[in-house]
Amino acid sequence: GENVEQHPSTLSVQEGDSAVIKCTYSDSASNYFPWYKQELGKRPQLIIDIRSNVGEKKDQRIAVTLNKTAKHFSLHITETQPEDSAVYFCAALGSGGYQKVTFGTGTKLQVIP
Amino acid sequence: GAVVSQHPSWVICKSGTSVKIECRSLDFQATTMFWYRQFPKQSLMLMATSNEGSKATYEQGVEKDKFLINHASLTLSTLTVTSAHPEDSSFYICSAPGTSYEQYFGPGTRLTVT
Repeated sequence: GENVEQHPSTLSVQEGDSAVIKCTYSDSASNYFPWYKQELGKRPQLIIDIRSNVGEKKDQRIAVTLNKTAKHFSLHITETQPEDSAVYFCAALGSGGYQKVTFGTGTKLQVIP
Repeated sequence: GAVVSQHPSWVICKSGTSVKIECRSLDFQATTMFWYRQFPKQSLMLMATSNEGSKATYEQGVEKDKFLINHASLTLSTLTVTSAHPEDSSFYICSAPGTSYEQYFGPGTRLTVT
C-alpha cells in the first residue's frame, strides 16, 4: 500500500517568515495530494491540494509543489501568522479503489509572534 | 459544500462495554465512508472502508470483530467499538469522498474508556 513520510515533525518560525513542509510517497500511481490543517480536537481542514498533472499550485500565502519523478511534494507557507499555528498533514490518494487517502505523520507548526 | 456529521461528539464508557458512533452525510449520498482513528499527537490512521450494502473492508491489524461497521443506508455508517478497553480511547473520525478527489470529514468523536 501507499506510504507517506513527512518532515519535519515540528517546526518553529518567527511571524512573517516562511515555513516549508516536505513529504514523499511510495505509490507511483497516486494522483492526488491534499494538505490538511488540523487544530486540536477538530477535523482536518483542506487547505490546498494538487493533482498529478500539475507541478505547482498557489493560493494566496500557500503553495504546493509536486515532483512526480522523485515522488516528492512540499507545502510552502509565506508570511506566516500566529493563526497558522496548527498541525499540518500531507496525504496521498492511492491507486486502489474507494479513494483511500493515506496521511503523513504530521508537522506541528508554531509561529512565534 | 457537503456536510458530514458525527454523533456523539464525545463519549465516556466503562471498560467492557460497547459504544456506537454514527457518521451521517447530511446533504449527499455516500456509498463509501472511511473510519479513521487518531491517537494523541499522531496521524490519522485508516481503520476500515465502509461500503453501503456490503461488508466493510478492514485495514491490516484492525480487528473486525472488535470494530463493527454497518453501512445500512446511503447516508449513515456506524462504528461500534465492542468490549472497549482503555487502549481504545482515541479520536475517531469518519469521512466520505466527494464526486472528485475531495474528502468530507466528520467533526470526530472523542472516546474515553475508563
